[in-house]
Amino acid sequence: KAGVTQTPRYLIKTRGQQVTLSCSPISGHRSVSWYQQTPGQGLQFLFEYFSETQRNKGNFPGRFSGRQFSNSRSEMNVSTLELGDSALYLCASSWWTGLNTEAFFGQGTRLTVV
Amino acid sequence: GENVEQHPSTLSVQEGDSAVIKCTYSDSASNYFPWYKQELGKRPQLIIDIRSNVGEKKDQRIAVTLNKTAKHFSLHITETQPEDSAVYFCAASSTQGGSEKLVFGKGTKLTVNP
Repeated sequence: KAGVTQTPRYLIKTRGQQVTLSCSPISGHRSVSWYQQTPGQGLQFLFEYFSETQRNKGNFPGRFSGRQFSNSRSEMNVSTLELGDSALYLCASSWWTGLNTEAFFGQGTRLTVV
Repeated sequence: GENVEQHPSTLSVQEGDSAVIKCTYSDSASNYFPWYKQELGKRPQLIIDIRSNVGEKKDQRIAVTLNKTAKHFSLHITETQPEDSAVYFCAASSTQGGSEKLVFGKGTKLTVNP
């Protein structure tokens, strides 16, 4: 069974640009969450999608957005990039049963904003 | 919103010793508490989890305890080995609102010295 796949693995962008990251969940998983990981703040929740609907959202500015497609693949977009957006972006998928279950993480996309 | 505090931020032990990492949470509605291990350059992976209807869970050298009244939970690793060296994250989640949102502690860097 293939794991969670994130593309691209690395990105270098300039301030002011926008970026789109992609996440393919484990087959059958309909919940996809996104997290930002930085050395100082640890893992911070961005948002969660389930069956193409955003179910929950973290405390990030509106420049961060996402969506989920009918095949459960998800994308997140960051517009007007700032230096502080440099981080490892992780997505996680899970088999939602009404009870929280194990979240399987992808390898992440390392975004560097210069 | 939920807040998770994790201590210590770094922990160094000798091979064979035990290691204990402690977390506290703020939201009494939290009912799922996973622990993730992240090795350098790799994705976080679940090592053990516990639900609020259980006080303790053990899996070989790893155990987790939960005190709902005090709102704290702990990870215990016995007979530590060099391959246990990694960053460990605790997390808390609630099924209220039907979401897989995980709130993470800031992590503990565990070093096991041979």
